Amino acid sequence: AQSVTQLDSQVPVFEEAPVELRCNYSSSVSVYLFWYVQYPNQGLQLLLKYLSGSTLVKGINGFEAEFNKSQTSFHLRKPSVHISDTAEYFCAVSDRESGGSNYKLTFGKGTLLTVNP
Amino acid sequence: ETGVTQSPTHLIKTRGQQVTLRCSSQSGHNTVSWYQQALGQGPQFIFQYYREEENGRGNFPPRFSGLQFPNYSSELNVNALELDDSALYLCASSLAHNEQFFGPGTRLTVL
Repeated sequence: AQSVTQLDSQVPVFEEAPVELRCNYSSSVSVYLFWYVQYPNQGLQLLLKYLSGSTLVKGINGFEAEFNKSQTSFHLRKPSVHISDTAEYFCAVSDRESGGSNYKLTFGKGTLLTVNP
Repeated sequence: ETGVTQSPTHLIKTRGQQVTLRCSSQSGHNTVSWYQQALGQGPQFIFQYYREEENGRGNFPPRFSGLQFPNYSSELNVNALELDDSALYLCASSLAHNEQFFGPGTRLTVL
């Protein structure tokens, strides 16, 4: 079984400031890792994913994340945020063994990023 | 290319009633997954359908059931509704071993 912990429920920042949203996971098997964004009254949109290879993953809208196996972390970063980045961000894992990236996603509780002018 | 669509957008039911939610998968996708997102929580996996067969289930009681049709669209049925079933229900479609694409969700309120 896997679990995901998003360490901050809310992160307020000013526009053009850098931001880091923290994610730690627990799993007895190897995992795939994802970050999704959810804008108000919408579904989830994939920001980026780590399947294999380079541990630094670049995604859409200028976001990137780094997989750290020893610390079981997958923190999301952006060097300069915009007002339009205000949304809920979810970290998720999928079990490599049972079905790969197409199978069950286990999500964290989310981090609300609020970008203020 | 049409994305994942869900209907209805919103739904209000009373305790004990039954509800059916619908999902049309993205063109060419043969796998549909359903998730329940309670207020202030992350989505929780309900089950997945692959080529009309259930392909895994989360920790949900049997009153949550589903179907996938030959065109890969899907239904989620919930019987004997409880207050705690109030949530956003998300459908995601994918092609085997690829990214899951989510629909906008159906907001279910149980009174």
